[in-house]
Amino acid sequence: DADVTQTPRNRITKTGKRIMLECSQTKGHDRMYWYRQDPGLGLRLIYYSFDVKDINKGEISDGYSVSRQAQAKFSLSLESAIPNQTALYFCATSEYTGSQETQYFGPGTRLLVL
Amino acid sequence: DAKTTQPPSMDCAEGRAANLPCNHSTISGNEYVYWYRQIHSQGPQYIIHGLKNNETNEMASLIITEDRKSSTLILPHATLRDTAVYYCIASYSGAGSYQLTFGKGTKLSVIP
Repeated sequence: DADVTQTPRNRITKTGKRIMLECSQTKGHDRMYWYRQDPGLGLRLIYYSFDVKDINKGEISDGYSVSRQAQAKFSLSLESAIPNQTALYFCATSEYTGSQETQYFGPGTRLLVL
Repeated sequence: DAKTTQPPSMDCAEGRAANLPCNHSTISGNEYVYWYRQIHSQGPQYIIHGLKNNETNEMASLIITEDRKSSTLILPHATLRDTAVYYCIASYSGAGSYQLTFGKGTKLSVIP
């Protein structure tokens, strides 16, 4: 079984709809992240969480919200989807050891907003 | 994060060593050099990281220059499955901080 899973893997929605992307991990890591990737570009950080009670905005948080329901679960919501949120979304967890951090990524969710 | 500079693309013959360079001339003393790769829209995959010393694992070797201003990722015997975008990142992660910025990387094409 995969250590970091994302659901759904693909999603088509319409402008103005609310949608939720879910991420689960079995690695036991405290830190979790949401990124988006646009074609030909690197990953950009949306939100991150260092533990269940800690949520932080990343580089591009506008239009998104998150919920850390448990250590293993971190959900990303688009309150009112717009076409420029069409992208590939990745969840990640990280193994943090004082000053070093290794990230483990899920398979991604491909989102199309019409 | 220190800024890193990588060539946009490289080719490598199958079975040969792939040497991917990265410049990080403004790296600070506590920043590690990380390498990740992304195979065709899959989730990025951690490869290796290091601070000062050269590192080797089952996937690759990392050579860091003595002044730490540049590094090279070496895939000793490249296969077609190594075709991917490779990201070099210079970063420090503290107890209350997060810094892991993915740039555009190097697209490595392994040629049969």
